[in-house]
Order: sequence, then C-alpha cells, then structure tokens
Amino acid sequence: AQSVSQHNHHVILSEAASLELGCNYSYGGTVNLFWYVQYPGQHLQLLLKYFSGDPLVKGIKGFEAEFIKSKFSFNLRKPSVQWSDTAEYFCAFKNTGGFKTIFGAGTRLFVKA
Amino acid sequence: NAGVTQTPKFQVLKTGQSMTLQCAQDMNHNSMYWYRQDPGMGLRLIYYSASEGTTDKGEVPNGYNVSRLNKREFSLRLESAAPSQTSVYFCASSLDRADTEAFFGQGTRLTVV
Repeated sequence: AQSVSQHNHHVILSEAASLELGCNYSYGGTVNLFWYVQYPGQHLQLLLKYFSGDPLVKGIKGFEAEFIKSKFSFNLRKPSVQWSDTAEYFCAFKNTGGFKTIFGAGTRLFVKA
Repeated sequence: NAGVTQTPKFQVLKTGQSMTLQCAQDMNHNSMYWYRQDPGMGLRLIYYSASEGTTDKGEVPNGYNVSRLNKREFSLRLESAAPSQTSVYFCASSLDRADTEAFFGQGTRLTVV
C-alpha cells in the first residue's frame, strides 16, 4: 500500500534552533515528493517539491529537503527556526503514473519565542 | 485570482441532516479532490475527479457523494450526517501531472451533533 510516515507528531523548539522533520514513503516506483505547510487557521500551501534532478531542494522561507532514494526518505530541514514557523507540516507524494496526492499524518511544530 | 474557493467555512448539522459543500477553482485544472482532515490522521482522500465527468472513490468515501458539475466545480454531499463526519474538509485542485502540486481551499469546519 502507498503511504507516508512522518516520524514526529509534535515538535517543540526554541527560536534559532535547527529543525529536521522526518518523512518516509512507501512505494516501489518513481515518486514526486512534496512538503506542505498549514499555518494556524489557514489552508495548506506548498513549501517545496522534488520531482527530478538535484536531490537537495530549496523552498520558501529558508526550508530545504533532501531526497534519499535508497532510504525512501524526504526529510525537511531548516537551520534556524523562527516563531512564525509555528505550523503543521505535511509530507506527501504522487507516483509518476497517477495524480492522487498521498499525505502523511502531519507534524505540529511549535516554536517558542 | 481566487484559486480554490469553498463554501461554507463553518457548518453545524444535526445527525441525519444533509448538506452540500461547494468548491470552485479558477485555474483551469482538470483534477479536483475532496479531503478530510482529522487530528493525528493527516489528510485523507474522500473522492477525486480526474476530469470533468469522472469521479472516483478515495480512501474514505463511505457516507459521501460527489458531483463534478463542470470543469470548475466539484461538490461534496453528505446525505445523512453522522457525528463521525465531524471534521475539516478541504477541496483541492491540480493539473493532471504528477510533478505538480495541489492547491487548496480555505476549508470547511463541519460539526455534526
């Protein structure tokens, strides 16, 4: 079955701390990978995506993610978080033959000012 | 450019009542989706429509029906609401390519009492 596993459901960090959110997907073929962010009270929006080329992709607001094919992973990183990064983060993928997006359960990040 | 517009934003129903959630997109996307978001479970796909005139079940279709009225509009109907359908519902649309992201509406918070 196709699925996405996010390692942490809740993360609490202080401002300026580094962030890494784990994501693993379950699918044997080629995938396109996404991280979405949902700020409090808002809808989901794209943070970054990977579909080919350099496995290290950069997104908005200083976020980046690395695709490691051998580990079926697509971890999200940010060197120094800000209070405004408080949000829920969702990892997701589409297989190249389809158009459905499969989402993980999400990780709630709270950044203390 | 409105993107994806959902109505209503909030709704309270009594068990057994029916209602329709409306969704419209102005991005000329072929594919449209309905998700529900529940704490700790991420986004689960209820139904999707790959193109005008077609609809398919997602992960959790029971208790719901959909209509792809035209290319722009995709509605979700609860025929007989149950407390288990209390959730936040998101409509989304995308191009029908695997490397493209989904665009989400603002969500509908539905409570069934």
